[in-house]
Amino acid sequence: EVQLVQSGGGLVKPGGSLRLSCVGSGFIFTNAWMSWVRQAPGKGLEWVGRIKSRSDGGTTDYAAPVKGRFTISRDDSKTTLYLQMNSLKTEDTADYYCVTIVSGRGGWGQGIPVTVSS
Amino acid sequence: QLVLTQSTSVSASLGASVRLTCTLSSGHINNAIAWHQQQPQKGPRYLMKLNSDGSYIKGDGIPDRFSGSSSGPERYLTISSLQSEDEADYYCQTWGTGIVVFGGGTKLTVL
Repeated sequence: EVQLVQSGGGLVKPGGSLRLSCVGSGFIFTNAWMSWVRQAPGKGLEWVGRIKSRSDGGTTDYAAPVKGRFTISRDDSKTTLYLQMNSLKTEDTADYYCVTIVSGRGGWGQGIPVTVSS
Repeated sequence: QLVLTQSTSVSASLGASVRLTCTLSSGHINNAIAWHQQQPQKGPRYLMKLNSDGSYIKGDGIPDRFSGSSSGPERYLTISSLQSEDEADYYCQTWGTGIVVFGGGTKLTVL
């Protein structure tokens, strides 16, 4: 079973930084393209960004609202995905999820709340 | 532009079947999609990856009551023998060049 366990998150002031982590198991992490998705209170799912597998170049793509402020990285030796969030804005307040679909098998992390408020 | 369109809400009776629709924008009608379920006050759950030819692969533990199908730009999720726990938001999602897109979600109410 695909399992993703998240950590990090919390309350941060506008302009601050935060790092989220996501540890994967039950699948071949090195082959997986991994994404971050967020959900603001009462809203739908919004894609934040993704990182390809190393064998596919390990490159990253980001949604326009976070480009230049958020950075996604991975450590395949630790089967861990990261989301570094800088210059946080109040509109970044949301539950953040990691998610992957590998060869048709998929899973979501449990979600981590991030609140940006003064 | 890659867009996924879903109905805002659908209702169906307990024990009945319901088909949810996700429509791909023109130029992307051969895209595979994924379906995800989000029950109230819970995180999303992966249901399946659905290809343009109607073949699909379900996630671990997804009941047989859930199935997928495709026709042109439309991707369907059919839930048979509806149960109360099927009341949830259902999102479709697809992949483009440098982007991942979610539909707005369909709220399923089980009467």
